[in-house]
Amino acid sequence: EPEVTQTPSHQVTQMGQEVILRCVPISNHLYFYWYRQILGQKVEFLVSFYNNEISEKSEIFDDQFSVERPDGSNFTLKIRSTKLEDSAMYFCASTTRRGNEKLFFGSGTQLSVL
Amino acid sequence: GESVGLHLPTLSVQEGDNSIINCAYSNSASDYFIWYKQESGKGPQFIIDIRSNMDKRQGQRVTVLLNKTVKHLSLQIAATQPGDSAVYFCAETFTGGGNKLTFGTGTQLKVEL
Repeated sequence: EPEVTQTPSHQVTQMGQEVILRCVPISNHLYFYWYRQILGQKVEFLVSFYNNEISEKSEIFDDQFSVERPDGSNFTLKIRSTKLEDSAMYFCASTTRRGNEKLFFGSGTQLSVL
Repeated sequence: GESVGLHLPTLSVQEGDNSIINCAYSNSASDYFIWYKQESGKGPQFIIDIRSNMDKRQGQRVTVLLNKTVKHLSLQIAATQPGDSAVYFCAETFTGGGNKLTFGTGTQLKVEL
């Protein structure tokens, strides 16, 4: 069964450093998402992406965050200057079309900011 | 803002028993609901979904019930197995919401042998 893959599975970084989290969505999917889950809390929406542009973003997704689809397969989340509170599990998700369709999630990248 | 919440943070059941996990939602505009299972160290895994024009949907060993009157969603797992042990999240969205899901807090299901 096709799946969303994410790398790395764990990322440790120093506060203020830039990190790039990588995702390979399912190949025929067109809509891509990043969610995050702080330990013990809900999964929260960050951003949605379609046709090479952001469709929607949450309040969490400030100027320190950016997303990119650099080629036909990868989808990345960049945090320019990490903060302690960015420590979380980051999930990539994808789906075939917009609107009331189940999302397929990757296994996540655990980001630890020291 | 409106949110989805779960009543029970932890549910312990005996192997073979049926499990019922509940969820309350508050956004009356939500018309699509999903249950996800999350095992330790993994991402949310789709279990079953239901649209607001239905009040019940069945899958393999799982049933989702939707009560729009009281904004309540439940997940029933028949003959619960040790492999069902995980955190279960309900999530909601609405037509025009672009698949932006609002997740509930999660319920830890523990299956005892």
